[in-house]
Amino acid sequence: GENVEQHPSTLSVQEGDSAVIKCTYSDSASNYFPWYKQELGKGPQLIIDIRSNVGEKKDQRIAVTLNKTAKHFSLHITETQPEDSAVYFCAAFMFSGGYNKLIFGAGTRLAVHP
Amino acid sequence: DGGITQSPKYLFRKEGQNVTLSCEQNLNHDAMYWYRQDPGQGLRLIYYSQIVNDFQKGDIAEGYSVSREKKESFPLTVTSAQKNPTAFYLCASSKGPAGLAGGYLSSYNEQFFGPGTRLTVL
Repeated sequence: GENVEQHPSTLSVQEGDSAVIKCTYSDSASNYFPWYKQELGKGPQLIIDIRSNVGEKKDQRIAVTLNKTAKHFSLHITETQPEDSAVYFCAAFMFSGGYNKLIFGAGTRLAVHP
Repeated sequence: DGGITQSPKYLFRKEGQNVTLSCEQNLNHDAMYWYRQDPGQGLRLIYYSQIVNDFQKGDIAEGYSVSREKKESFPLTVTSAQKNPTAFYLCASSKGPAGLAGGYLSSYNEQFFGPGTRLTVL
């Protein structure tokens, strides 16, 4: 079936360093790719998204890149801070199982150490 | 958590009991969703509703039921038929139905999540 793979599953960085999380997707027709941040015990919060008609999008310290040919997209966090510590999920909007839906990656647990 | 509320935050159930999780949104969104989250896994879709009085099964609907009698409410019932109900349940909503014609109307695809309900079966 259609799926989204996310790597790494855990990521540990020092404060101020950059963090990169990568996802690949299976359906070449996918056209919308959101990233969510989930803090402990809370629901996921949308932090940035990208549509298939652009290759890169930035919002302050976070950026997302999309390579449609290779079917992968990445989240880049620069100048990491302890409050960036959370679980990050990528997702791809695709047609699967008879309907359109968001398919989520398994998540990356990011730890930023002071 | 935007305008989506879920209650209760924690829920305990004895085996063999049905339990209903509440989800309410004041975002005037047409579409609502229920996901299940297990440790180390992504979110899996249980049920979704594109409009009032309509809903469809997701990938893991067995043992669950829903209703959508009002636009702002989408309660999920976890029945005794669900073999492994202990999990974190997330409700979400989006402006429009998934799969709106054209696909590039992605403002309709943005999903906003509630704070979740952690269900534990004793």
